Amino acid sequence: EVQLVESGGGLVQPGGSLRLSCAASGFTFSSYDMHWVRQATGKGLEWVSAIGTAGDTYYPGSVKGRFTISRENAKNSLYLQMNSLRAGDTAVYYCARVSPRDESGSYYYGMDVWGQGTTVTVSS
Amino acid sequence: IQLTQSPSSLSASVGDRVTITCRASQGISSYLAWYQQKPGKAPKLLIYAASTLQSGVPSRFSGSGSGTDFTLTISSLQPEDFATYYCQQLNSYPLFGGGTKVEIK
Repeated sequence: EVQLVESGGGLVQPGGSLRLSCAASGFTFSSYDMHWVRQATGKGLEWVSAIGTAGDTYYPGSVKGRFTISRENAKNSLYLQMNSLRAGDTAVYYCARVSPRDESGSYYYGMDVWGQGTTVTVSS
Repeated sequence: IQLTQSPSSLSASVGDRVTITCRASQGISSYLAWYQQKPGKAPKLLIYAASTLQSGVPSRFSGSGSGTDFTLTISSLQPEDFATYYCQQLNSYPLFGGGTKVEIK
């Protein structure tokens, strides 16, 4: 069964750090781009970061410089290191897979497999 | 590139035809996906490449458009379709639209 399972969420104080993990199974992890997407309670989906099969990384301005995405293909694992956390980072964090970008640098396919999410709460 | 979905919410009855629109601030060719999300659950991919139905998704869902204007249509709304729908551009920075909540009338 194709599956993604997130872990590592929890309560952290403002300014603190947290590392999320996403364990993949049932597919060739190294052949897919991987993403983190978050959702604050009652709000919409917000794309957080992406990592390509070659290790290239992408971030929106809201987390650039504070979050670092990485992958360990030998362990079929994706990570998100979150530093300098703020109250606004409180959300459910999902990992998701996408088939690699095409020659234009865009994705033809969407995010077809998602984890169940892990909750991050930033509060004093 | 920003995505603007409309409406932000709608009320409809079972059997209704429902249309949700997504407008991109600049052209994105056909690099657009649609997702369905139910409360407490992860999003589910419905359509990619603007109009291609993901495997296993009922044929009452369809997508159209290219460039800046896109549409998700549910031809005959079913009870299990009441959910929130998001569009997503599929370029280097795959941002989401604000969502459309489909509620029971």
